[in-house]
Amino acid sequence: DGGITQSPKYLFRKEGQNVTLSCEQNLNHDAMYWYRQDPGQGLRLIYYSQIVNDFQKGDIAEGYSVSREKKESFPLTVTSAQKNPTAFYLCASSMMGGGYEQYFGPGTRLTVT
Amino acid sequence: DQQVKQNSPSLSVQEGRISILNCDYTNSMFDYFLWYKKYPAEGPTFLISISSIKDKNEDGRFTVFLNKSAKHLSLHIVPSQPGDSAVYFCAASVGYGGSQGNLIFGKGTKLSVKP
Repeated sequence: DGGITQSPKYLFRKEGQNVTLSCEQNLNHDAMYWYRQDPGQGLRLIYYSQIVNDFQKGDIAEGYSVSREKKESFPLTVTSAQKNPTAFYLCASSMMGGGYEQYFGPGTRLTVT
Repeated sequence: DQQVKQNSPSLSVQEGRISILNCDYTNSMFDYFLWYKKYPAEGPTFLISISSIKDKNEDGRFTVFLNKSAKHLSLHIVPSQPGDSAVYFCAASVGYGGSQGNLIFGKGTKLSVKP
């Protein structure tokens, strides 16, 4: 089955710890994205990557870092510098950058206490 | 400043009736629009899209209308079913298929379809 996987579904961390969220896709898509969803806020873009070894900051990149060493993988690290890390994180991919339809993974709910 | 606005946070309709979800945008450069559906604790799923060269696109029970002069689009669901109950996001981009921009999402409208 082709698709996007995110693991784990639920993640709990103590304040001050870095945590890495996994995102893998087998759709052969070039572009990958990370969004954050908070109640009443819709989807806000954190980082995106249109090609391997290249990525761009989105609207709310502060406190986050990413890497794109393989086409299939786009992990997101939530660092201790992120002031409000508790949120629902969504990874997406598309055929190319820009306006192609994006396909989303099931999301990871991160809770930091 | 929000470029894509969904001004109704929620909408409740009776099963079998029409659901109309609205979306306004401010960037006149947007030329491709999409609707996504999202259930709680799941990722959004693509529903239907429309390019700016059209004013209507239909797919089964779902129809999207685009009014470029008013910078307004709407999603019609007919007939509405209880399984349609979800949050619906409107999204827009500049340059379909290009690298000119990413999708800009609205904040979503929660649709409840009552049996």
